[in-house]
Amino acid sequence: AQTVTQSQPEMSVQEAETVTLSCTYDTSESDYYLFWYKQPPSRQMILVIRQEAYKQQNATENRFSVNFQKAAKSFSLKISDSQLGDAAMYFCASSNRDDKIIFGKGTRLHILP
Amino acid sequence: GAGVSQSPSNKVTEKGKDVELRCDPISGHTALYWYRQSLGQGLEFLIYFQGNSAPDKSGLPSDRFSAERTGGSVSTLTIQRTQQEDSAVYLCASSLFDQGNNSPLHFGNGTRLTVT
Repeated sequence: AQTVTQSQPEMSVQEAETVTLSCTYDTSESDYYLFWYKQPPSRQMILVIRQEAYKQQNATENRFSVNFQKAAKSFSLKISDSQLGDAAMYFCASSNRDDKIIFGKGTRLHILP
Repeated sequence: GAGVSQSPSNKVTEKGKDVELRCDPISGHTALYWYRQSLGQGLEFLIYFQGNSAPDKSGLPSDRFSAERTGGSVSTLTIQRTQQEDSAVYLCASSLFDQGNNSPLHFGNGTRLTVT
C-alpha cells in the first residue's frame, strides 16, 4: 500500500526567504509519480509540481523546485523568494502507475511580511 | 472551459438523514476521485473510478457510504444515516487518464457537509 507522510503540520517563513517542506513516501512499485498540491484559503486545490520517478532530474516550476531522493523515498518542496500569495496548505501526493493518488496530511505554510 | 463542478457547496443535515453529493467532472476525463477533508486530517481517499473498470472502493469508511458514476461522467456520493463524524468537506477531482501517465487532478470546490 502507498503511504505519504508530511511531518511538519505548520511552517512559517519570512517574505522573500526560502522554505523547504518535507515529504516521505512508501511504495513497493518502481514506476510511480509524485506531486505537490497547494490549497489556498479559497479551498481550490491546485497542482504545484509533478515528478516522474523514472526521471532523475528534479522538477522545477519557476520559484518551486523539488529535491527527489529516490533511495530515501523523500520528495521535498523548496519555495524560493516566498510571496504572501504562497500562504496555503501544501499536500504531498503519490501515485503508482495506473493507480489512485494518495495524499499526505498537509503542511500549513504561513508567510510573514 | 468548465472545471469540476460540485453541488451543493454547503449542506446541513440532521443526524440520521441521508445525503447525496454530486460531482460533474471535466468532459472527457476518465478518472474521478472522491476525497474527504476533515480539520487537520488532510485528504482522505474514499473512492476512485477509472473508465469502465470496477471502482476502487477501498477508502470508503463504512457501508453507509456509496458512490456511483453514471455513463462515465457525473458521480454521486451517498451517505446514509449520517453521523456527526461525517461532517467534513467532500472533494471531487477528475483527471485525463492517458495510458497510465497520471495527469494532474482537477479539483472541484468541494461540498461542506455539517451533520447536526
